[in-house]
Amino acid sequence: GEKVEQHESTLSVREGDSAVINCTYTDTASSYFPWYKQEAGKSLHFVIDIRSNVDRKQSQRLIVLLDKKAKRFSLHITATQPEDSAIYFCAASDGADRLTFGKGTQLIIQP
Amino acid sequence: EAAVTQSPRSKVAVTGGKVTLSCHQTNNHDYMYWYRQDTGHGLRLIHYSYVADSTEKGDIPDGYKASRPSQENFSLILELASLSQTAVYFCASSGLGGQNTLYFGAGTRLSVL
Repeated sequence: GEKVEQHESTLSVREGDSAVINCTYTDTASSYFPWYKQEAGKSLHFVIDIRSNVDRKQSQRLIVLLDKKAKRFSLHITATQPEDSAIYFCAASDGADRLTFGKGTQLIIQP
Repeated sequence: EAAVTQSPRSKVAVTGGKVTLSCHQTNNHDYMYWYRQDTGHGLRLIHYSYVADSTEKGDIPDGYKASRPSQENFSLILELASLSQTAVYFCASSGLGGQNTLYFGAGTRLSVL
């Protein structure tokens, strides 16, 4: 089955700088790559996704890049703000039914 | 707004006891999932379902059973709870399975003593 590796377990950036979280996947059949955010003590909610028919997607300060050849995708958060502090999970779907998640990246925004 | 409700929100169970975690969704979604979250392991899929009265095994089904008596309800059952099952459990629903947004419940914190 699909395996998703999230490379940074913790990432610390200064407020206003950009943050980049990287993930790789194993199944070439995977075609859907969402990102979820979990704020401290709370549940997860969807933030942005990308499908395999495009290699870049932007939603306000969030940019997702997909490199299908390298089986790699990344989340870029520009102009970081304190409310961006959270755990971010990448995921990949290798079929119609299920998502496989990475282990999560704790993003810390320093003042 | 999409709503997934889990109960209880927290539970303390004894080793060897039976635990049932419940999930109710009002999204009219076909797909429902149970994940567990552990530090260092992220989210791992236990069981899921895409239709009432049918469940599928996820990546870590051992020690867990699931029940989907209706489209709205999905339960996770630990017949003989063990210390290793201490974790936070999340239920989620989706209209189109893994190819679309998952809506998560608030989570259930289970401690097995």
